[in-house]
Amino acid sequence: GENVEQHPSTLSVQEGDSAVIKCTYSDSASNYFPWYKQELGKRPQLIIDIRSNVGEKKDQRIAVTLNKTAKHFSLHITETQPEDSAVYFCAASIRGGFKTIFGAGTRLFVKA
Amino acid sequence: NAGVMQNPRHLVRRRGQEARLRCSPMKGHSHVYWYRQLPEEGLKFMVYLQKENIIDESGMPKERFSAEFPKEGPSILRIQQVVRGDSAAYFCASSPAPGQGGQETQYFGPGTRLLVL
Repeated sequence: GENVEQHPSTLSVQEGDSAVIKCTYSDSASNYFPWYKQELGKRPQLIIDIRSNVGEKKDQRIAVTLNKTAKHFSLHITETQPEDSAVYFCAASIRGGFKTIFGAGTRLFVKA
Repeated sequence: NAGVMQNPRHLVRRRGQEARLRCSPMKGHSHVYWYRQLPEEGLKFMVYLQKENIIDESGMPKERFSAEFPKEGPSILRIQQVVRGDSAAYFCASSPAPGQGGQETQYFGPGTRLLVL
């Protein structure tokens, strides 16, 4: 069945450093890849997404890259800040959203 | 434009009781998804519904769990005869119209935290 693997499960960085989270997906029909940030006790919130017709997308300190051939995509956060500390989930959506499979999450700690 | 609404936010049930979780999608959204999240874990897909129609329930346990999204009113996730293992956060998400480019983004509600004693 469809599967999304996410690494690392925990990531600790110093404030100002960059953080990279990587995901791989199994279903080549996946064509939409959102990233969500979830703070403790709160709802997942969309932070950036990418569709299969582009290889990279950037929004201020956040960027996502997609390699369709290798079936992996990554989240890059530059100049990390303590408020970036949260759990980040990648997801792969099949057939334009009919089914979305989430990765297991990465717990990011940004140390001041 | 109100976001996705869920109620109750917290629900306590004793083993064997029924739990009803409600989700009102964002205005203009006709598609609802339910996910379960155990502590320290990811989001597990349960079911995807349109109005009056279950599209995909492949993530739903075969027994005790059911979901509906009637023509009028919120979507409801129903858990009968709850057991302690049902304790989790249940999130609902909505989207405008999957399958159409740019319409597949899911927006999450605040979740219902179910505790079974």
